[in-house]
Amino acid sequence: DAGVIQSPRHEVTEMGQEVTLRCKPISGHNSLFWYRQTMMRGLELLIYFNNNVPIDDSGMPEDRFSAKMPNASFSTLKIQPSEPRDSAVYFCASSSTDPYEQYFGPGTRLTVT
Amino acid sequence: QQPVQSPQAVILREGEDAVINCSSSKALYSVHWYRQKHGEAPVFLMILLKGGEQKGHEKISASFNEKKQQSSLYLTASQLSYSGTYFCGTEIYSGNTGKLIFGQGTTLQVKP
Repeated sequence: DAGVIQSPRHEVTEMGQEVTLRCKPISGHNSLFWYRQTMMRGLELLIYFNNNVPIDDSGMPEDRFSAKMPNASFSTLKIQPSEPRDSAVYFCASSSTDPYEQYFGPGTRLTVT
Repeated sequence: QQPVQSPQAVILREGEDAVINCSSSKALYSVHWYRQKHGEAPVFLMILLKGGEQKGHEKISASFNEKKQQSSLYLTASQLSYSGTYFCGTEIYSGNTGKLIFGQGTTLQVKP
């Protein structure tokens, strides 16, 4: 298996622009998680889906952030408009119900100038 | 809600031992441990379940004290490859699905 795939790996954009991050989970996994990692705040869970349905989005920082999972093999995290404080590494992870190990993708390093 | 890890950082010589602790203010169903090397994604190490069951892939041991709401990760005879940041995650359920809340991490550096 190719593992969790994320794209792009690096994104540099200007403040105010829309950013879309993409994730393909491991085939057969039914849970998908979006995390943000910064030095100051550590590894934060933004939102997670189970069977393509958003279960908990309490970690989404603001309305500027939105996430979708239109099918079992694809999810997006969108930031519109982006701000410099959104600069971070964004990880997508997937897991099956049992075992509950989370497999992380390589991450997208986002820089907003 | 976030579990607390200690120490924040450890520096070891190859072959030395280390213990990383994780404690929670909430009752724990399970504790998960991950390791992240610099510039890479976190990688699963093990799960400790209530009742003593462990699931893991590496020769790293851990304990889970349900009463004290604590877990400890034991790194014995450390190798250079053990360097990285270790995160514990505690599981919170919503219906039939769960999410992990990660601690702030413990940075381990193993020197030759």
